[in-house]
Amino acid sequence: AQSVTQLDSHVSVSEGTPVLLRCNYSSSYSPSLFWYVQHPNKGLQLLLKYTSAATLVKGINGFEAEFKKSETSFHLTKPSAHMSDAAEYFCVVSDRRDDKIIFGKGTRLHILP
Amino acid sequence: DTAVSQTPKYLVTQMGNDKSIKCEQNLGHDTMYWYKQDSKKFLKIMFSYNNKELIINETVPNRFSPKSPDKAHLNLHINSLELGDSAVYFCASSARDRETEAFFGQGTRLTVV
Repeated sequence: AQSVTQLDSHVSVSEGTPVLLRCNYSSSYSPSLFWYVQHPNKGLQLLLKYTSAATLVKGINGFEAEFKKSETSFHLTKPSAHMSDAAEYFCVVSDRRDDKIIFGKGTRLHILP
Repeated sequence: DTAVSQTPKYLVTQMGNDKSIKCEQNLGHDTMYWYKQDSKKFLKIMFSYNNKELIINETVPNRFSPKSPDKAHLNLHINSLELGDSAVYFCASSARDRETEAFFGQGTRLTVV
């Protein structure tokens, strides 16, 4: 069975500084991995996805993530944080052999002025 | 031109009542899901349907009964509502291949008083 662990429940960075949101996964099969963002009182928006092609994945709004199989990680990064990045971020693993899409517990990103 | 739409967006009801949440997707996907997001923002899968067939039932109380009249619809009926059912419920859909992300509705905020 697959699982996903987001290592930080809260991350605070200053505007203009880099963002790192950490995610580790467990899957007995080659997984697909995703990052979603949820702004307050909003739905879920896909930021980016990894599906066994390039290990460095670029997403929307300047975010990117690198799939590292040896470390079973899929950390999300952004070079320079913007106030509008303040939101909840979810790392998600999909192993369609059992039709499950599993969410991590989320990381709340705070941007300090 | 909403891809996954849920109604209603807000639902306030008394304990003991029965209520339904409707979900429709116009993406031609064959798999649909219901997720529950609690007050701590954790998203937990409740049900998964593929081609109108129940695939996953994640130990959800049998007061919750999903119904899929066709591939484009997955409704959630809840009997005898309890205070602990208060949450945001998200419907999602995806294609049944490993690489396609799930598309989410905007959520239904259910408040049981």
